[in-house]
Amino acid sequence: QKEVEQNSGPLSVPEGAIASLNCTYSDRVSQSFFWYRQYSGKSPELIMSIYSNGDKEDGRFTAQLNKASQYVSLLIRDSQPSDSATYLCAPNSGSSYKLIFGSGTRLLVRP
Amino acid sequence: GAVVSQHPSWVICKSGTSVKIECRSLDFQATTMFWYRQFPKQSLMLMATSNEGSKATYEQGVEKDKFLINHASLTLSTLTVTSAHPEDSSFYICSASSAGATYEQYFGPGTRLTVT
Repeated sequence: QKEVEQNSGPLSVPEGAIASLNCTYSDRVSQSFFWYRQYSGKSPELIMSIYSNGDKEDGRFTAQLNKASQYVSLLIRDSQPSDSATYLCAPNSGSSYKLIFGSGTRLLVRP
Repeated sequence: GAVVSQHPSWVICKSGTSVKIECRSLDFQATTMFWYRQFPKQSLMLMATSNEGSKATYEQGVEKDKFLINHASLTLSTLTVTSAHPEDSSFYICSASSAGATYEQYFGPGTRLTVT
């Protein structure tokens, strides 16, 4: 079993729709959870962080965390073509500073 | 805030030569820096973790004598690829994290290395 699992996609949604990206992780000790966006040929960009169970909203983005289920998700409201990218889920490894990256979900937003 | 720069953004070198890549945190002190490698259409692969003033910790399978990492100050880490070969051609990305329990990492723009 992979440490961080994400559906590779592509997830295709029409412009203006809600995109829902999911991630499960295996390390129960993980305390911090991050979503990074990576455009093709570019480096990852931090877009959301979440540390406690529940929802965290930032603009069009909402991160959801359920530690009991070892599940974290990212919702993107009013999706735009510029949101088309690969989204990487990354919990920290145990109590260390290392992050464990999933292989990413590719999102395509159709105009 | 939390800006990380890398230099050069791309480099072409001949097989057998060495290449140095710099990673700088511009507006914060990076107690820990990370070096990743990413091949086309693959996920990030952590190569090593470095703390300021300490030896780097390499991930399993990464040759420490080939990939030399120096974290001389709280704002600068360097990765030197020694005796480069074509199979070392990749996208090298650094990230930086400051002290604290939030574990956020901020990535540099990456360096694309091509070894001919």
